[in-house]
Amino acid sequence: DVKVTQSSRYLVKRTGEKVFLECVQDMDHENMFWYRQDPGLGLRLIYFSYDVKMKEKGDIPEGYSVSREKKERFSLILESASTNQTSMYLCASSFPSENTGELFFGEGSRLTVL
Amino acid sequence: AQSVAQPEDQVNVAEGNPLTVKCTYSVSGNPYLFWYVQYPNRGLQFLLKYITGDNLVKGSYGFEAEFNKSQTSFHLKKPSALVSDSALYFCAVRDRMDSSYKLIFGSGTRLLVRP
Repeated sequence: DVKVTQSSRYLVKRTGEKVFLECVQDMDHENMFWYRQDPGLGLRLIYFSYDVKMKEKGDIPEGYSVSREKKERFSLILESASTNQTSMYLCASSFPSENTGELFFGEGSRLTVL
Repeated sequence: AQSVAQPEDQVNVAEGNPLTVKCTYSVSGNPYLFWYVQYPNRGLQFLLKYITGDNLVKGSYGFEAEFNKSQTSFHLKKPSALVSDSALYFCAVRDRMDSSYKLIFGSGTRLLVRP
């Protein structure tokens, strides 16, 4: 079965802390994505990656960075967490095929910044 | 720019009745279209997709969606709703001309099925 695993389901952090959100996929997918989900706004793309050590900015990259040192792992980093980064974070992966583009999602990481 | 609109924040329907969740899209080229479902405190699960061919697409759990190019719509439908269909539904689009493989999502529609 396809599996995207996000290491933390729930996190509570303080303003200014550095936060790491980890995502691992076991499908040998080249593409990986980080979205944030907020009520009424749907999912917004933060960053994505086509391959190891490659990254591209999405629609809302400010305040975030990413790391992809291995193909199966894509990390989202909040260098200095702020309260407006309280959100649900969703990791996804896909195989770069013309006929699919289907994303496989993890269970999400709900981050609260106090 | 690509965009997706889901005009209804919530859809209410009685169990056994047909349901429709609306989605319209805007892309510069031809679209790939997707529907996902999210149950409480869970990630998104894939329901169905339109790539090419037949405008009526059948997916998981008895759902189907109809691609209408002239109306730029991709409405999700089910002939007979179940209480267990209550969830948050997202429509998504990718422009075939966009090589990034990223999906643009709508704001989501909450479906509530009454017993």
